[in-house]
Amino acid sequence: QLVLTQSPSASASLGASVNLTCTLSSGHSRNAIAWHQHQPGKGPRYLMKLNTDGSHSKGDGIPDRFSGSTSGAERCLTISSLQSEDEADYYCQTWDTGIWLFGGGTKLTVL
Amino acid sequence: EVQLVESGEGLVQPGGSLRLSCAASGFTFSSYWMHWVRQAPGKGLVWVSRIDSDGTTTSYADSVKGRFAISRDNAKYTLYLQMHSLRVEDTAVYYCAREYANSWHFDSWGQGTLVTVSP
Repeated sequence: QLVLTQSPSASASLGASVNLTCTLSSGHSRNAIAWHQHQPGKGPRYLMKLNTDGSHSKGDGIPDRFSGSTSGAERCLTISSLQSEDEADYYCQTWDTGIWLFGGGTKLTVL
Repeated sequence: EVQLVESGEGLVQPGGSLRLSCAASGFTFSSYWMHWVRQAPGKGLVWVSRIDSDGTTTSYADSVKGRFAISRDNAKYTLYLQMHSLRVEDTAVYYCAREYANSWHFDSWGQGTLVTVSP
């Protein structure tokens, strides 16, 4: 069964960069994923779809500061030049045999 | 601009029923699969249900199967979630989401509506 694993928390300083990782469970390293940002009190926001080859397609209006990369079973979201409004929960999401799945989410704190 | 606006928020006793709605605008509603996703207090996002573009095929998470029913009215640009036999553990903010070009990932979300199940 496919499981998406994310670290529960991450932190980085204002203006710095941070990498958030989503790891696909064994046997599922070829799955593409999507990244979503969820700020408190708002609906989630689609950031990008990240393919197995590291290519990604971003949602409308997503700044260049957000990028994605792939290494084996790991799907990484990089946020550069961190701003205070980037403080949010970040979820990876994918699909497997008729079930839509989310990772547990990473709470990003901007210091 | 794509907009999804949920409604139907409520406080219900265990065993009760509630219907949520999601009004869509800014796109051709009948061309997209649609989903419900929920977030329990302090927890992460969990997929609940999906419906295909013309409403003929549905699927559900095991936790709600047999109790919840997803439907849509393409003429009214509205998605529904009928919830029966509600449990305390169904307490959550419920979001509707659009699936991008039937390709499994969600590209638009609503702002959510709160369902509270409590004695």
